[in-house]
Amino acid sequence: IVLTQSPVTLSLSPGEGATLSCKASQTVRSNYIAWYQQKTGQSPRLLIYGASSRAADIPDRFSGSGSGTNFTLTISRLEPEDFAVYYCQQYGSISLTFGGGTKVDVK
Amino acid sequence: QLHLQESGPGLVRPSETLSLTCTVSGGSVNNFYWGWVRQPAGKGLEWIGRVFTTGSTNYNPSLKSRVAMSVDTSKNQFSLTLHSLTAADTAVYYCARGGLRYFDYWGQGILVTVSS
Repeated sequence: IVLTQSPVTLSLSPGEGATLSCKASQTVRSNYIAWYQQKTGQSPRLLIYGASSRAADIPDRFSGSGSGTNFTLTISRLEPEDFAVYYCQQYGSISLTFGGGTKVDVK
Repeated sequence: QLHLQESGPGLVRPSETLSLTCTVSGGSVNNFYWGWVRQPAGKGLEWIGRVFTTGSTNYNPSLKSRVAMSVDTSKNQFSLTLHSLTAADTAVYYCARGGLRYFDYWGQGILVTVSS
């Protein structure tokens, strides 16, 4: 399953909302989509699994939605620490795949 | 708190074999899936494969002919072997927990450079 993330780069100001898209080349079984945040020089951090369930200790300004082939990560109000690269990942098939990433940077 | 730490060589020659180990502390390797993910500089994440504590494995089809993974429950470790290296294998290699589904704990990553 190929995951296509858009936009590649999103330039926003702190306090603004962000909407990140992840489109799958075929239906993702049981909406098995995860989202990760990766800051420069750090490992990825799990944000969302099962398309919409927040991982432990993730602030509620992060939310996930979607089904089938279209999934969205929404950050309601950007905090300074939210500027990073975000990846979606599907685990609906035996072989896992990641999207190419969306970079959220400061406008 | 679970902690994962990758170890292995930082530099490997072309055509040689890479062996990496991930040591798990703060928890047991038993009854979990464990995985490896790599990331070339400035690029995205690529799943390499997963191993269960029974030794059952699944690999990325693009790497399947060159990769092997195993678990050593006595040492609370799991490992990655990648054969016939080329410059395209240069990347940061991460070990992580949960390779059947999503990854909830990650190591800090180890940079592996393939160069003569």
